[in-house]
Amino acid sequence: KNEVEQSPQNLTAQEGEFITINCSYSVGISALHWLQQHPGGGIVSLFMLSSGKKKHGRLIATINIQEKHSSLHITASHPRDSAVYICAVNTGKLIFGQGTTLQVKP
Amino acid sequence: GAVVSQHPSRVICKSGTSVKIECRSLDFQATTMFWYRQFPKQSLMLMATSNEGSKATYEQGVEKDKFLINHASLTLSTLTVTSAHPEDSSFYICSAKGVTDTQYFGPGTRLTVL
Repeated sequence: KNEVEQSPQNLTAQEGEFITINCSYSVGISALHWLQQHPGGGIVSLFMLSSGKKKHGRLIATINIQEKHSSLHITASHPRDSAVYICAVNTGKLIFGQGTTLQVKP
Repeated sequence: GAVVSQHPSRVICKSGTSVKIECRSLDFQATTMFWYRQFPKQSLMLMATSNEGSKATYEQGVEKDKFLINHASLTLSTLTVTSAHPEDSSFYICSAKGVTDTQYFGPGTRLTVL
């Protein structure tokens, strides 16, 4: 079993929909990252969380340390949100989930 | 936010040649740099961690004589793939960390070995 599990693996949504991507982990961590990878490959760091909730524009990330679970929400999704979203946990080094491929259709 | 650059963005080389990839932190001092490899449809895998001025720490299964890492300054780390073979074709990504725990990722380098 992977130390970091994301769900779903693939997600197709219509523009405007509310999207949730989940991440569960089984190791002790100091922080959790949500990353966005576009088709060209470059990676952008969206959030780093160690507790609670963070919001940036239409993106919201939450983490429950006791349950070892985090969620990334996208409100009012847009086709430009189409990308791979990756959860990574910091155990001293980063361990990555397999990613969630999101496609938002107009 | 902080910026990390990689050069080149794409490289195609013949089997048996060596390829050097540069990773630079443009607006902060990176005490630690990380090198990752990503195969198609797979997640990132950490190859090695390098601290400025000291030898890199390689992950299990990564050949240190094949993937030479140099972190000679607080803004530059290089990864040299020696005697490259087609199975080394991959997407190589670096990240850099300063005094905080936040890692800033480079745009990646796509290596194709013919």
